[in-house]
Amino acid sequence: GQQLNQSPQSMFIQEGEDVSMNCTSSSIFNTWLWYKQDPGEGPVLLIALYKAGELTSNGRLTAQFGITRKDSFLNISASIPSDVGIYFCAGHTINSGGSNYKLTFGKGTLLTVNP
Amino acid sequence: AAGVIQSPRHLIKEKRETATLKCYPIPRHDTVYWYQQGPGQDPQFLISFYEKMQSDKGSIPDRFSAQQFSDYHSELNMSSLELGDSALYFCASSSGLPNEQFFGPGTRLTVL
Repeated sequence: GQQLNQSPQSMFIQEGEDVSMNCTSSSIFNTWLWYKQDPGEGPVLLIALYKAGELTSNGRLTAQFGITRKDSFLNISASIPSDVGIYFCAGHTINSGGSNYKLTFGKGTLLTVNP
Repeated sequence: AAGVIQSPRHLIKEKRETATLKCYPIPRHDTVYWYQQGPGQDPQFLISFYEKMQSDKGSIPDRFSAQQFSDYHSELNMSSLELGDSALYFCASSSGLPNEQFFGPGTRLTVL
């Protein structure tokens, strides 16, 4: 099945720093989504991307849908302690059966922000 | 704004027992998805329903079944539970396909 390679696996940064994480795949994705998950809670949708080359912002978050449709990045600017959590990329892709309803997730990036 | 509701939030079962997890999607969302997330893992897609019909199937064991009802809520039925079924189970909903999926708070299932 499709695989998303997400990096880095973890990051330790100081409050106020910017952070960047990305996902790549060997398959073409039609949609890229970025989620944040706190321990024991459900993933919360941060940004959704639908078009190749699309650059979208949500407050201090910025994400882009790669031109090749095989990658995406998420940037967080001026990090604050509440940014701590696991960030997942996820995407939809058309499989051989034509179904594209499921989300494939990356392995996640654990972000720690030191105050 | 209303979110996805899941019940129960926590469930403890013995091996070989059955469990039923419920999901109530965001109002006017017609599609529900079920995911399983093991400790330290990413969510894995199990099954989805669109307008009460199964729309996609992932790595769902044959011991599990699910359905979507006329009011769009969904239930995941799990039988002959195994220790390895212990995980967080998430329901997500969306309006149309393949729009953004919004996740519920999850049900933590522990099989003893």
